[in-house]
Amino acid sequence: SAVISQKPSRDICQRGTSLTIQCQVDSQVTMMFWYRQQPGQSLTLIATANQGSEATYESGFVIDKFPISRPNLTFSTLTVSNMSPEDSSIYLCSVARGTEAFFGQGTRLTVV
Amino acid sequence: LAKTTQPISMDSYEGQEVNITCSHNNIATNDYITWYQQFPSQGPRFIIQGYKTKVTNEVASLFIPADRKSSTLSLPRVSLSDTAVYYCLVGDPRRDSSASKIIFGSGTRLSIRP
Repeated sequence: SAVISQKPSRDICQRGTSLTIQCQVDSQVTMMFWYRQQPGQSLTLIATANQGSEATYESGFVIDKFPISRPNLTFSTLTVSNMSPEDSSIYLCSVARGTEAFFGQGTRLTVV
Repeated sequence: LAKTTQPISMDSYEGQEVNITCSHNNIATNDYITWYQQFPSQGPRFIIQGYKTKVTNEVASLFIPADRKSSTLSLPRVSLSDTAVYYCLVGDPRRDSSASKIIFGSGTRLSIRP
């Protein structure tokens, strides 16, 4: 299994500001994945973060809005920039271990 | 990545067996079928995975017909705590490859009543 810690667990932010979400894994992994889950909806993949290279973003997501860092094999951050109320969601990080995926508890973001 | 189709919602009662069917007509040769469970305010949790025929673990069974174009997650004797969203996912789960990214479908919202 994999233990994933996300910080913060929740936050309320003013529009126009930025929030950085941290994801720590208990062991080394090559790829980490960032998802967004809007209220009542399924999970949408934002990007894949590889250590030592730029993140790969899915259609509809751009680096300027969601910059990602991956400084080592156990840690990643996702920043939600210049936030608006539409960014209010749960943000989750995930890793693959064997044939399973493991998810953090998520960061519940509310933008006011 | 193969697209999946599953019912948006299902209702059942405690003690019943619940079967959730997922269609994946475009499944590829290397694809596995994996089911995840998500409770409110939690990340998804792996339930079961299979490639063909039948797989059973302590939580559920997964039935996959020979053509692999569909699969059925079976939850025996459900309880109230099984109320959750269940996601059927199809993909190549190779370790540390770009193929290991998971694309979620809409999921099935299962509600269990007393």
